[in-house]
Amino acid sequence: AQTVTQSQPEMSVQEAETVTLSCTYDTSESNYYLFWYKQPPSRQMILVIRQEAYKQQNATENRFSVNFQKAAKSFSLKISDSQLGDTAMYFCAFQGDSGNTPLVFGKGTRLSVIA
Amino acid sequence: ETGVTQSPTHLIKTRGQQVTLRCSSQSGHNTVSWYQQALGQGPQFIFQYYREEENGRGNFPPRFSGLQFPNYSSELNVNALELDDSALYLCASSWTAHPGGYTFGSGTRLTVV
Repeated sequence: AQTVTQSQPEMSVQEAETVTLSCTYDTSESNYYLFWYKQPPSRQMILVIRQEAYKQQNATENRFSVNFQKAAKSFSLKISDSQLGDTAMYFCAFQGDSGNTPLVFGKGTRLSVIA
Repeated sequence: ETGVTQSPTHLIKTRGQQVTLRCSSQSGHNTVSWYQQALGQGPQFIFQYYREEENGRGNFPPRFSGLQFPNYSSELNVNALELDDSALYLCASSWTAHPGGYTFGSGTRLTVV
């Protein structure tokens, strides 16, 4: 079974600074997908960024980028120029290479952006 | 296009009772998944429905059941509620084999007393 581990329960960052959230996972599959989701107080899970395991290039979405290390099974999220609106729970998630497989989430990291 | 809508937003039930939670999927999506998110935890997969049939289930007992309707909306039913069932229940819709193409609702906060 796949597992996802987020070792940082809480983090804080000053506005406009850069922060990196860590995630490791365990799987025996060779192809899969990794995601970072944001959950603000509104509770809705919002997709931040996604990475296909077969792609070596790290995904980037505006201020959000990942460092995907397949051999180390590591998938960290870097947030640049942090904004107050980035304050939320962040979840790392894994999905196997099939439309029927569910998302497997980590326990989350609570990020606070401080003015 | 409409997003995913869940109702009710909050609910309080007594241990032993039964509850039904509802979810309307995003337009164009044919698959609905349900997740349970306990306080301080990540969401845990309950089950998934595709074309009105369950096609995947997590480690939850049979008292957790569901339905999907022809318009792809869905219900989650929980019988014989236990205190540990208190959680946020999230619904997500997607288009079949589209990894990660989920749209989540804002959840139903269930409290069992």
